[in-house]
Amino acid sequence: AQSVAQPEDQVNVAEGNPLTVKCTYSVSGNPYLFWYVQYPNRGLQFLLKYITGDNLVKGSYGFEAEFNKSQTSFHLKKPSALVSDSALYFCAVRPTGYSSASKIIFGSGTRLSIRP
Amino acid sequence: DAGVTQSPTHLIKTRGQHVTLRCSPISGHKSVSWYQQVLGQGPQFIFQYYEKEERGRGNFPDRFSARQFPNYSSELNVNALLLGDSALYLCASSYYRWGTSGSVGTDTQYFGPGTRLTVL
Repeated sequence: AQSVAQPEDQVNVAEGNPLTVKCTYSVSGNPYLFWYVQYPNRGLQFLLKYITGDNLVKGSYGFEAEFNKSQTSFHLKKPSALVSDSALYFCAVRPTGYSSASKIIFGSGTRLSIRP
Repeated sequence: DAGVTQSPTHLIKTRGQHVTLRCSPISGHKSVSWYQQVLGQGPQFIFQYYEKEERGRGNFPDRFSARQFPNYSSELNVNALLLGDSALYLCASSYYRWGTSGSVGTDTQYFGPGTRLTVL
């Protein structure tokens, strides 16, 4: 079955330190990979996506993600965390292929907490 | 340009009732998708519509239905509401294309703020 795993329910980081939010996926073929962020009582905001090409993808608000095909991972990173980065982060995968490309599969989410 | 808009913001219903949720996509976007996000979980795919046709359906019962209008706005309908239908319902739009050969675009889905449905 196709799935996305975010192994950490919560990640706690001190402001100014680097952060990593982990994501692994189990999808056949070469899927498209996404990260979204959700603030309280808000919808999802797009951060970045990987389609093809360079394994390091840069996105909004200083975030970047590293794609690793052999490990089927797509970890979200930021060199220096801000308190305002505190939110719920979702990794998502869109399978390629005509019959299955219409839906996005989301992970369960990781709550990122940045302490001052 | 306005983003994806959804109405209403909040809704309270009782078991057995029917509900209609509405979504207006970003201007120029022809594809609309619906997702259900239960508290503490990631969004679950319900439907995708493109050019008024259903292009994908998730694992939801037939009580869930949707449609897309000529102006690309969309409605999600849920009949015979159950307590378990309480969730945040998210709509997403994208400039998504289907080619005649079955190729698909790589466009990002942009989400609205959601409708919070509470079933009592």
